[in-house]
Amino acid sequence: QKEVEQDPGPLSVPEGAIVSLNCTYSNSAFQYFMWYRQYSRKGPELLMYTYSSGNKEDGRFTAQVDKSSKYISLFIRDSQPSDSATYLCARVGGNQFYFGTGTSLTVIP
Amino acid sequence: KAGVTQTPRYLIKTRGQQVTLSCSPISGHRSVSWYQQTPGQGLQFLFEYFSETQRNKGNFPGRFSGRQFSNSRSEMNVSTLELGDSALYLCASSLGSGGNQPQHFGDGTRLSIL
Repeated sequence: QKEVEQDPGPLSVPEGAIVSLNCTYSNSAFQYFMWYRQYSRKGPELLMYTYSSGNKEDGRFTAQVDKSSKYISLFIRDSQPSDSATYLCARVGGNQFYFGTGTSLTVIP
Repeated sequence: KAGVTQTPRYLIKTRGQQVTLSCSPISGHRSVSWYQQTPGQGLQFLFEYFSETQRNKGNFPGRFSGRQFSNSRSEMNVSTLELGDSALYLCASSLGSGGNQPQHFGDGTRLSIL
């Protein structure tokens, strides 16, 4: 079983929609959770970084962590075509980073 | 502040050759990690260096090695290249080791093996 499981998609939504991206993790010895955005031919860019349960908001992005169900989510409000990218979730455990395989998102104008 | 810089951006090699990739971290960052990214496997951790010492190592064969210099710059070497080594190799830097600081990535080196 992988440390972090992520639905690869692809996910296609109309502009302005609310997007929900989800990951599950298997190890309870969690520490920190992150979301990265990766555009084609670029490296992953850090979007959100959190270590606690509940919600963390930054502009149109909200990261949610549910430790009881080992579930992490990223919500994007008022999605824009510029949000079209691959989104990677990650957790840190045992001093090592574990990444999901990424969800490909396309926002259609 | 300059981001993580990786060189070269693209490389084409043949089987059996060796290759060296370079990474300059964000100024002040002392930890450098290397990852291999492929469509099927996603991001797989290779190793992490902090203060010129390897702190963590992933599950890759000994053909993959790395080092870090006193200025925190890092190099990764792959010897006896195989077709399956074709991938995007990403370097990430962070202030400290141990995961309590987020990692910031470069744009990677795209390695193609013919």
